[in-house]
Amino acid sequence: GESVGLHLPTLSVQEGDNSIINCAYSNSASDYFIWYKQESGKGPQFIIDIRSNMDKRQGQRVTVLLNKTVKHLSLQIAATQPGDSAVYFCAEKKAGTALIFGKGTTLSVSS
Amino acid sequence: NAGVTQTPKFRILKIGQSMTLQCTQDMNHNYMYWYRQDPGMGLKLIYYSVGAGITDKGEVPNGYNVSRSTTEDFPLRLELAAPSQTSVYFCASSTDRARNQPQHFGDGTRLSIL
Repeated sequence: GESVGLHLPTLSVQEGDNSIINCAYSNSASDYFIWYKQESGKGPQFIIDIRSNMDKRQGQRVTVLLNKTVKHLSLQIAATQPGDSAVYFCAEKKAGTALIFGKGTTLSVSS
Repeated sequence: NAGVTQTPKFRILKIGQSMTLQCTQDMNHNYMYWYRQDPGMGLKLIYYSVGAGITDKGEVPNGYNVSRSTTEDFPLRLELAAPSQTSVYFCASSTDRARNQPQHFGDGTRLSIL
């Protein structure tokens, strides 16, 4: 079946560095993509989303890039902080259908 | 802001027992969802609802039932608990599934079947 995957299960960075978390999606018909952050013992927390008519979207310290040619999605976190340590999930969907989640990347930030 | 509230937070069941996981949201969202998350995995959709009185199956509905009598509440029922249902269960809600709006999640119910 179609699924959303992440390139690396874990990513370790130093405090203050920029982090890049990657995600490959398989359904070229998907038109909406979301990044979620999940801290231990908590539910997924919405970070940022992007629609397929955009290539880039910026939030506070986060940027999502969408490359539809190679079906690739990335989340960039600027000046990574210890509080950014969590599991990050990308998810994709088409309008009117369910979200499909990837397996997640665990980001570890050391100070 | 309460958002999506799930109860209980933890529960241990014996094989064959039944229970209801509660979910309520105060954002007046029409769409509600139940997911399960197994260790190291992403979330899989169990059931969803597009409004009061309307529910539909997701990817992994077997062994579960839902009801939606009000906009606010979307309980998930396990009738005959099995070890394969040991998981973390998340409830979520959103304003409009068709128009691609983010889902807001509760903090989950951690369920162990022994």
